[in-house]
Amino acid sequence: QQQVKQSPQSLIVQKGGISIINCAYENTAFDYFPWYQQFPGKGPALLIAIRPDVSEKKEGRFTISFNKSAKQFSLHIMDSQPGDSATYFCAANAGGTSYGKLTFGQGTILTVHP
Amino acid sequence: GAVVSQHPSRVICKSGTSVKIECRSLDFQATTMFWYRQFPKQSLMLMATSNEGSKATYEQGVEKDKFLINHASLTLSTLTVTSAHPEDSSFYICSARVWTSSNEQFFGPGTRLTVL
Repeated sequence: QQQVKQSPQSLIVQKGGISIINCAYENTAFDYFPWYQQFPGKGPALLIAIRPDVSEKKEGRFTISFNKSAKQFSLHIMDSQPGDSATYFCAANAGGTSYGKLTFGQGTILTVHP
Repeated sequence: GAVVSQHPSRVICKSGTSVKIECRSLDFQATTMFWYRQFPKQSLMLMATSNEGSKATYEQGVEKDKFLINHASLTLSTLTVTSAHPEDSSFYICSARVWTSSNEQFFGPGTRLTVL
């Protein structure tokens, strides 16, 4: 129930295209859903995060869509660039005794071809 | 955003030795830090939660006697891998929570540990 399932495992997109990564969860106590970008040999960097009281959040080229009833959320990268090539992780956190502890998805390796 | 540093960035040691990894919050005070382990091409797995001035809370399956965590100040947490073995070779990453009331975390750059 603590799992966050992420798909696809890898994604290849042409420059200028839209990259879409999906995540699904079971634990209805999750109330914070961040997305992280990680380059090889580096730590993850927070891209954007959402709470379940909104259905969409946009920051620049990055948009999170959130479907509370389906327990799914997705990351959309508009106008994908070669510099976006990295591994992307969704994550989720519940409050209470799990406050602050992130459960990560399996990761998606994004490759943007020039 | 808040900056978290780790030292060293990479370390190679012989089997049986102990290695200490430092995690520092550079421009904020972190009452809580988290330690993760990441194997190649895999996701991050939470090892333990480190609270300043108290004992760390370890996730199920993580040996607390092998992975010693100390959070002596609001800006420094350390992870010591004791009697390291080749299977401990991994990428160790810490994160720090900026505000007690926030879920937002900032991650360090990671430490690559190789045990020969």
